[in-house]
Amino acid sequence: GQNIDQPTEMTATEGAIVQINCTYQTSGFNGLFWYQQHAGEAPTFLSYNVLDGLEEKGRFSSFLSRSKGYSYLLLKELQMKDSASYLCAPFYNQGGKLIFGQGTELSVKP
Amino acid sequence: DSGVTQTPKHLITATGQRVTLRCSPRSGDLSVYWYQQSLDQGLQFLIQYYNGEERAKGNILERFSAQQFPDLHSELNLSSLELGDSALYFCASSLRTGPGELFFGEGSRLTVL
Repeated sequence: GQNIDQPTEMTATEGAIVQINCTYQTSGFNGLFWYQQHAGEAPTFLSYNVLDGLEEKGRFSSFLSRSKGYSYLLLKELQMKDSASYLCAPFYNQGGKLIFGQGTELSVKP
Repeated sequence: DSGVTQTPKHLITATGQRVTLRCSPRSGDLSVYWYQQSLDQGLQFLIQYYNGEERAKGNILERFSAQQFPDLHSELNLSSLELGDSALYFCASSLRTGPGELFFGEGSRLTVL
């Protein structure tokens, strides 16, 4: 399998910064997606990393290290609406299926 | 609005029954994915179709089947339903078979009583 590992839950304070880590199997790795999912709603795309390094998009940034099988999602200036599940999804060369990790449930407190 | 349409939004049925969930992908997208999400669980990949052909299979039960039609809409058939099949079923579409951003529908919530 893809051995996707991310923390189950995290809590942070409004206005703070939080980093959500994800590790995955490197064999056949192509790229990695991050999605956000609010409870009972459809997942929405946040980022896609193929190359090593940090990609910034507004308050959200995503980092990838291909050799280490490691990625993180960085959320800055946290807002209450950022309370959601964050799903890490590595993409592999074989076939087109996209397998999601179990997700990290982020709770933002006032 | 992602452009992916799923029907029905909600469905309540009894054990042993059969249901069909329908998905219309975004205009121009050739690939359709089906995912199952049980309460407090992650997204479980079921199956993927590309331009009418099955491309990848995940943990899909034998009681479940799917197909993609020439007009690219897809149907997921669930038969001999069990209580444990109660879940949110998502359809997603993308332009290619991969990689590429997946656009998710709002899901079909199935409750089996």
